[in-house]
Amino acid sequence: GENVEQHPSTLSVQEGDSAVIKCTYSDSASNYFPWYKQELGKGPQLIIDIRSNVGEKKDQRIAVTLNKTAKHFSLHITETQPEDSAVYFCAASMGEGAQKLVFGQGTRLTINP
Amino acid sequence: NAGVMQNPRHLVRRRGQEARLRCSPMKGHSHVYWYRQLPEEGLKFMVYLQKENIIDESGMPKERFSAEFPKEGPSILRIQQVVRGDSAAYFCASSKGNPSLNQPQHFGDGTRLSIL
Repeated sequence: GENVEQHPSTLSVQEGDSAVIKCTYSDSASNYFPWYKQELGKGPQLIIDIRSNVGEKKDQRIAVTLNKTAKHFSLHITETQPEDSAVYFCAASMGEGAQKLVFGQGTRLTINP
Repeated sequence: NAGVMQNPRHLVRRRGQEARLRCSPMKGHSHVYWYRQLPEEGLKFMVYLQKENIIDESGMPKERFSAEFPKEGPSILRIQQVVRGDSAAYFCASSKGNPSLNQPQHFGDGTRLSIL
């Protein structure tokens, strides 16, 4: 079936430390993997994405890695700051023509000052 | 702000009434997606539309729910005869091009629907 598993569901780290969130997906045909940050009362905001022809992508303090063989991808946030506190969602493109995103269950990240 | 615009932000309906949720995509975007989010859960795909066409409605409930994206005006998600289980946040996203080209989807801030 079409499924994305995301772990952990909650994550608490000290300010300045790194945070890692992991996802696995079910459809080997998935070829696009975005990450979204959602703050309270807001819609998901795209923070980084990766395509299946790339193994790693970095944008300042945020990086994403993809292992297509294992159907696994991860989000890495370094030098965390209080404003990084939010719910993070991974997603994978699925369905005929990869036309829809299937989301993970979310990770509530808390940065402790 | 040329982002995805959804209205209303909050909508309260009584059981049996109709709910209409509107979404204006980002400027230059002709692909629209609707997702539903229950509290403490991820987003669940409902429907994907292009102008005047429903492309994929595999996530839409078979009854009471419908969506359109007319040639002019916003996309509309319509829920008839609402029930308590319809209470959720409904998000719209838009993209510039065909999802098979992995065009990013950008989300609005959602409509929070509450059924009394």
